[in-house]
Amino acid sequence: DAKTTQPPSMDCAEGRAANLPCNHSTISGNEYVYWYRQIHSQGPQYIIHGLKNNETNEMASLIITEDRKSSTLILPHATLRDTAVYYCIVRPPRASSASKIIFGSGTRLSIRP
Amino acid sequence: DTGVSQNPRHKITKRGQNVTFRCDPISEHNRLYWYRQTLGQGPEFLTYFQNEAQLEKSRLLSDRFSAERPKGSFSTLEIQRTEQGDSAMYLCASSETTGYTNTEAFFGQGTRLTVV
Repeated sequence: DAKTTQPPSMDCAEGRAANLPCNHSTISGNEYVYWYRQIHSQGPQYIIHGLKNNETNEMASLIITEDRKSSTLILPHATLRDTAVYYCIVRPPRASSASKIIFGSGTRLSIRP
Repeated sequence: DTGVSQNPRHKITKRGQNVTFRCDPISEHNRLYWYRQTLGQGPEFLTYFQNEAQLEKSRLLSDRFSAERPKGSFSTLEIQRTEQGDSAMYLCASSETTGYTNTEAFFGQGTRLTVV
């Protein structure tokens, strides 16, 4: 079972920041938070991951709370092409059987013009 | 294109027929995963390989399903005696494990199976 909880849907105006929350209250100390997204009819696409520090790349920023029980993915300037289902995933760092990616239901993000 | 490649992209088959899908992972990626996704749901884990060894199979993978990765490169997923409930998107992903460390997995575009 997925170890994360996300709202089923959100919407955001084009050009604004999209903030997608994720709860992972049972996360273990060495588990990473990963974010993927899936645009309609395509395979999931990796976005970003982090352990405890905030992370930023060309696609998004990841903010992880100090207690690591929740995180927020931020798309700074959402465009229509960011319309997708966003998955928050908890994953251990070690390449064990537990490192398979377990998807939940994700958040369906709709960007309105 | 050096991403994960899946073939065919679409497959329509009659109930009871066998089908086989192929996945070509990113070269040098030693780990390969198969997932199944039905409409409105997140991808469900089926199985994964470390090189040619199949290390884990989900209980979703019934006896009619078999996956292989004979030389540790491409993989095939075969479904025998297909049923309508097998209609889904079948996704393949690959990743590189360096020593004991995970890296992000990259997914293919999937094979959409329709059983009629």
